[in-house]
Amino acid sequence: AQKITQTQPGMFVQEKEAVTLDCTYDTSDQSYGLFWYKQPSSGEMIFLIYQGSYDEQNATEGRYSLNFQKARKSANLVISASQLGDSAMYFCAMREGLGGAQKLVFGQGTRLTINP
Amino acid sequence: GAGVSQSPSNKVTEKGKDVELRCDPISGHTALYWYRQSLGQGLEFLIYFQGNSAPDKSGLPSDRFSAERTGGSVSTLTIQRTQQEDSAVYLCASSLESGTGVAETQYFGPGTRLLVL
Repeated sequence: AQKITQTQPGMFVQEKEAVTLDCTYDTSDQSYGLFWYKQPSSGEMIFLIYQGSYDEQNATEGRYSLNFQKARKSANLVISASQLGDSAMYFCAMREGLGGAQKLVFGQGTRLTINP
Repeated sequence: GAGVSQSPSNKVTEKGKDVELRCDPISGHTALYWYRQSLGQGLEFLIYFQGNSAPDKSGLPSDRFSAERTGGSVSTLTIQRTQQEDSAVYLCASSLESGTGVAETQYFGPGTRLLVL
């Protein structure tokens, strides 16, 4: 079974609009971490935002926020006031178990295109 | 400070040849991970090293794949007798071993694009 599901293969948004990228996850662990990464066409993976399973507040980092709904096992990324430079692949990932070195499980990604 | 570095950035090889990919983690990061990304796909975990513990090799797809980490820093991923299906981008990441929460974030290198002809 997929541990991380990103149901939107592609998204097209007008510049300056807000956009929500969906991510649902599947785990039986109580302790886990959720990450979003951006991958531009150049290929590097850029860390955007983190949400811990015990965090009561939704994470925010500048124009990025994470809409964490624990009961629904969803961790959607919200980008406010989108910019042309936001065009990229976006990956949701999960780390299961306690802190320390743990592998990440990635979704298939969403390709976001910002139109001028 | 310097990020994760990988070499070579691109590698073209013939089927059946061995290749070595190198990763230099962020200074002070004791956990190191290898992932593989096939064209248009998400990342697939291969192996990780955590301090002096035995590495987690659970993601290696076959015994043609191996990795080592010398001196707790630089790592080399070796693919023996390469096959065309090994063509992918191989990404290395590092993190703080004992970090929790956002401190456990993995930071990625630029990757090595491997093409097996």
